[in-house]
Amino acid sequence: QQQVKQSPQSLIVQKGGIPIINCAYENTAFDYFPWYQQFPGKGPALLIAIRPDVSEKKEGRFTISFNKSAKQFSLHIMDSQPGDSATYFCAASNRGSSNTGKLIFGQGTTLQVKP
Amino acid sequence: NAGVMQNPRHLVRRRGQEARLRCSPMKGHSHVYWYRQLPEEGLKFMVYLQKENIIDESGMPKERFSAEFPKEGPSILRIQQVVRGDSAAYFCASSLPQVMNTEAFFGQGTRLTVV
Repeated sequence: QQQVKQSPQSLIVQKGGIPIINCAYENTAFDYFPWYQQFPGKGPALLIAIRPDVSEKKEGRFTISFNKSAKQFSLHIMDSQPGDSATYFCAASNRGSSNTGKLIFGQGTTLQVKP
Repeated sequence: NAGVMQNPRHLVRRRGQEARLRCSPMKGHSHVYWYRQLPEEGLKFMVYLQKENIIDESGMPKERFSAEFPKEGPSILRIQQVVRGDSAAYFCASSLPQVMNTEAFFGQGTRLTVV
């Protein structure tokens, strides 16, 4: 019940395309859903995050769509660029006052954006 | 404002030796998380510490692994008698005390290789 399942494992798009990465969770106590971007040899960097009281959040070219009833959320990258080539991780956390806020990560999606 | 600092960046140990990984959180951050990333996998939570306290160690292997976050100095993840299966990237993240409303920032990681 603590798992977060992420798909696809890898993704190749052309520059300007809109890659979509999907995640699903089971634990309804999760109340915070971030996405992280990781370049080779680097640590994960927070891209964008959403709470379950909204269905969509947009920051620049990155959009999270959230479906609470389906327990699914996804990342869309608009007008993708070769510099977006990286590994993307979704995560979930229960940040209620009695919880530690530890992140449960998906397995990761390796994105390649071709010029 | 320096980010989360981890050292060493790379560590090679022979089987049976001890590995000590250090994490200096961002200024003002008193909460530290340790995660492990095996090759081609997502990050797995290991332990959550506040200054001088272990709050959640549910992800720590029962033997050979320990963590501390003293009043002064960095957080230390210690692995005794390392085995080949301990080879992984170990990431530290830090956050402010208000878990509900703050983000966790990750360091660049320590890549441990056991030979």
